[in-house]
Formats: sequence, C-alpha cells, structure tokens
Amino acid sequence: QQQVKQSPQSLIVQKGGISIINCAYENTAFDYFPWYQQFPGKGPALLIAIRPDVSEKKEGRFTISFNKSAKQFSLHIMDSQPGDSATYFCASRAGNNRKLIWGLGTSLAVNP
Amino acid sequence: EPEVTQTPSHQVTQMGQEVILRCVPISNHLYFYWYRQILGQKVEFLVSFYNNEISEKSEIFDDQFSVERPDGSNFTLKIRSTKLEDSAMYFCASTGGEVRSYNSPLHFGNGTRLTVT
Repeated sequence: QQQVKQSPQSLIVQKGGISIINCAYENTAFDYFPWYQQFPGKGPALLIAIRPDVSEKKEGRFTISFNKSAKQFSLHIMDSQPGDSATYFCASRAGNNRKLIWGLGTSLAVNP
Repeated sequence: EPEVTQTPSHQVTQMGQEVILRCVPISNHLYFYWYRQILGQKVEFLVSFYNNEISEKSEIFDDQFSVERPDGSNFTLKIRSTKLEDSAMYFCASTGGEVRSYNSPLHFGNGTRLTVT
C-alpha cells in the first residue's frame, strides 16, 4: 500500500520556469511533511518541510503548499535552474513515529 | 557543518557472504536509521535505533539483518548471508539532538552501494 503518492514521475522544465511536484497522503495522523532533494551519488538532503498548521511555507525559490482537507501537498520551484536538476522525494511522518514514509520520487530536469 | 559519513562507498560481494556497512552519525544525534534505495527507486525504511536498541524495523529487516553501535560513534548494518536482491544503495541517517524533536530533519550519508553477484 502506497501511503504517499507522488507525481509526476519525471518532469522537464525550461530554465526560469516553475516546477511543480505533487504528493497525496492517506494517513490523517501524518503531521510532518518534508521534501528531500537527491543528486546522483548522494544521499537525500532535506529541502523544506511543513507542518499542517500552516497552508504554505516559502524558503527562497522553494514553496510548499499544503491542503489538509484534500490531504495533498506540493512543492513549487520558482525560477527553476539547471542546478535544480535532481530527484525530489516527498515524505510524511506521524507524531512521535520517526519513520518517514516516502513517495516514489520525481526526476526533475531543468533545461538551460 | 557536521555530516553523516558512510564507508565503504561501494561494496561488491558474492551471494551468501556477510557484509558490514559502516556509518558515523552526527555526534550529538540520538536516533539512527538505515534506509535502502534500489536503483533510483523510492527510499525504503529498514530500521531505527535509539538508546542502544532497535526502536522499529520494517518487514525488509529480517533475521539476515542486524545493527550495532559498537563503540558509541559507529553504527553498523550487517547482512549475514547476502542475496542478489540485497543489491541497493544503503543510506545511514541520524537525527534528534533533542528529546521530543520528532520533526527534526534526517541527515543522510552519501550511501554505500552494495552489489551482490
């Protein structure tokens, strides 16, 4: 059972464009929603995270939008750059359970 | 910035052999994890470790797997008798310098690529 569904599987964006990656979750107990960025040959690195008491969080060019009623959250990358080309994973976690449930990942390619 | 380090970066072993993957978590962290990732697919949780014992494990983490924190700094994953399907990237992660910081970020190492032939 895939508790966190991520789409699209791959994404190609032109430099300067907006990249949007979506995730949907099933467990209403989830209360922590991070996005991880992974470059080839590297481990995932935390990019940005949100808790369900806010609907949006912005850090630089990266924004998480959160819709609690729809059980969806998305990552927006504004002014996408070739250096943003990586695999992005959404994840979720419930309360004191520290185990992250991961989406399947989105491979983003930003064309120069 | 402190980081999680893993060794070796690549391990090739024959089916049925034992392997030990090594990790040095960030020094003040209290929670340790092993995850694996098969060929660029999703990241799968294997096990979490706190206070010198396993706190949670997945169905993947069967009797062939074990973890240990032998000396207060290293955190190891042992696979007793490797199978072909164990070939994957294995990531160590750590978190939680503070109690009840359940949403503190996971810090990952760069992984060990295990190839079982």
